[in-house]
Amino acid sequence: DVKVTQSSRYLVKRTGEKVFLECVQDMDHENMFWYRQDPGLGLRLIYFSYDVKMKEKGDIPEGYSVSREKKERFSLILESASTNQTSMYLCASSSPTGNNSPLHFGNGTRLTVT
Amino acid sequence: GESVGLHLPTLSVQEGDNSIINCAYSNSASDYFIWYKQESGKGPQFIIDIRSNMDKRQGQRVTVLLNKTVKHLSLQIAATQPGDSAVYFCAERGGFKTIFGAGTRLFVKA
Repeated sequence: DVKVTQSSRYLVKRTGEKVFLECVQDMDHENMFWYRQDPGLGLRLIYFSYDVKMKEKGDIPEGYSVSREKKERFSLILESASTNQTSMYLCASSSPTGNNSPLHFGNGTRLTVT
Repeated sequence: GESVGLHLPTLSVQEGDNSIINCAYSNSASDYFIWYKQESGKGPQFIIDIRSNMDKRQGQRVTVLLNKTVKHLSLQIAATQPGDSAVYFCAERGGFKTIFGAGTRLFVKA
């Protein structure tokens, strides 16, 4: 089974702090994604990556950046955390799109910015 | 996917009954569809998928039906169990991007 591991289940950070959310997958997937999930807004794509050192903006990239130095690891960075970034963050991975394979999600990191 | 609202649609079923969760997708060019289950405090978990060249696919206790004419997707759960209580999302994909519905919350009454 695919395993996507997010390093933290819960994080509490202060406004203005730099925050790193880490995600590792063990299935050699090319594609990796970061979503945030908010009540009433569903899952929104922040950034994705289809290869090492490649990154693409999703629907809501403002205030975030990402890093993909190794195939198995995809990091989400909040340069200066703000209270409106309080959310559940979900990492996912998948095989290349042509294979019509589903996203496999981690269990999420619930971030609270105070 | 479904229209996004503050309150998730809810389905309440008796344990042992069959559940049907519906989803209207938005993009007629979507060619791949997925159902996910999300339990409290966990990430979405893949249940079953279907390609657009099919109209039905069965898994263990679950069946997905696809009606491309009316852009409708449904998930049927047979003999619903308490462990099936969760939020269920449909998702569509045409190209690289996956679009998620807002979800339906399933309650199973013992």
